[in-house]
Amino acid sequence: EVQLVESGGGLVQPGGSLRLSCAASGFTFSYYWMSWVRQAPGKGLEWVANIKQDGSEMHYVDSVKGRFTISRDNAKNSLFLQINSLRAEDTAVYYCARDGTGSYYAYWGQGTLVTVSS
Amino acid sequence: AIQITQSPSSLSASTGDRVTITCRASQGVNSYLAWYHQKPGRAPKLLIYGASTLESGVPSRFSGSGSGTDFTLTISCLQSEDFATYYCQQYYIYPWTFGQGTKVEIK
Repeated sequence: EVQLVESGGGLVQPGGSLRLSCAASGFTFSYYWMSWVRQAPGKGLEWVANIKQDGSEMHYVDSVKGRFTISRDNAKNSLFLQINSLRAEDTAVYYCARDGTGSYYAYWGQGTLVTVSS
Repeated sequence: AIQITQSPSSLSASTGDRVTITCRASQGVNSYLAWYHQKPGRAPKLLIYGASTLESGVPSRFSGSGSGTDFTLTISCLQSEDFATYYCQQYYIYPWTFGQGTKVEIK
């Protein structure tokens, strides 16, 4: 059974940093692109970033470029999102998601809440 | 970035109704479009990918059509478990983008 379990969210002050993690199991992690998708409270879904199987290629939504870094450790079946220079508008539930044969998402984690507030 | 406009933003329907939701992309996305629904407090669930391919395990009352810029999700006979918010997503041109959502409520 595919499982994705996020961790690392919490309350952080504006300008602060967090590192989100996603532990993957039930599939061969190194075979798949992986993504982060976020959802602000009461709002819609926003794709944030993805990373290629071997970590050699990453893509980001413009609003996080230069502040967020996606990475992975295939030996530990783990996906990460380093989020720096946090802003109030980054407050959201952050989901880890596994790509299918294309960049659509059949598998999602339960999400981890990041709250940016002073 | 490609803008996706979903319509309607919300609708009220009864169990057994036929429901149609549309997504229009600001530029062509070929058939690289997926549909999800989401219930409060839960992660989204994939319904359709490739504009018209039903995800494994998804009931056949869900269907998708379209290509290029105009897409439709149809629920042929609405069931109680289908009351949720529906999103489309393009994965043709970075950054991938979602529609703003359509909330399907009980009439």
